[in-house]
Amino acid sequence: AQSVTQLGSHVSVSEGALVLLRCNYSSSVPPYLFWYVQYPNQGLQLLLKYTTGATLVKGINGFEAEFKKSETSFHLTKPSAHMSDAAEYFCAVNLNNDMRFGAGTRLTVKP
Amino acid sequence: KAGVTQTPRYLIKTRGQQVTLSCSPISGHRSVSWYQQTPGQGLQFLFEYFSETQRNKGNFPGRFSGRQFSNSRSEMNVSTLELGDSALYLCASSLAQGARYNEQFFGPGTRLTVL
Repeated sequence: AQSVTQLGSHVSVSEGALVLLRCNYSSSVPPYLFWYVQYPNQGLQLLLKYTTGATLVKGINGFEAEFKKSETSFHLTKPSAHMSDAAEYFCAVNLNNDMRFGAGTRLTVKP
Repeated sequence: KAGVTQTPRYLIKTRGQQVTLSCSPISGHRSVSWYQQTPGQGLQFLFEYFSETQRNKGNFPGRFSGRQFSNSRSEMNVSTLELGDSALYLCASSLAQGARYNEQFFGPGTRLTVL
């Protein structure tokens, strides 16, 4: 069975610093991979997704993620954090229409 | 294009009651999925409907049910409410069945509180 693990339920960075949110998946074959963001009292919004092809995926708001098959990882990065990036981030995997979400990582951005 | 709408946004019920939540997908989207979000369990998949048929189901008791209408609008029903059913219920729509690579668009959710 597939699963997804997000390392670190809380991550705090200073404004302008690098953002790195970690996601590892377990699956016998590479699944489709997604990162979603959730702002308070809102639903989830897709940041980016990996299906096939280029392993470095660029998303909205300056975020990008790299699919590393050998490490079964799909970490989310942003070179310079902005205050508006404070939110909860979810990694998700989909294999054979089975969608699983990670537990989420709450990102705090300090001024 | 209007996004996914969910009604009501907030709901308070007591144990033993039943509740019906509504979701209107983005125009043209035929797939609707429902998720339960709680602090302890995170996001859990409830079920997916496509063309008025349930296509996938998560690991929830039979008290949780749903349906989809011909206009793709969907409802989910929870009977005999328990305190543990308190959660944010999210609806997501996509163009086609399954979320393999089709982007899911989420609504703002319905916050259900069971007293």
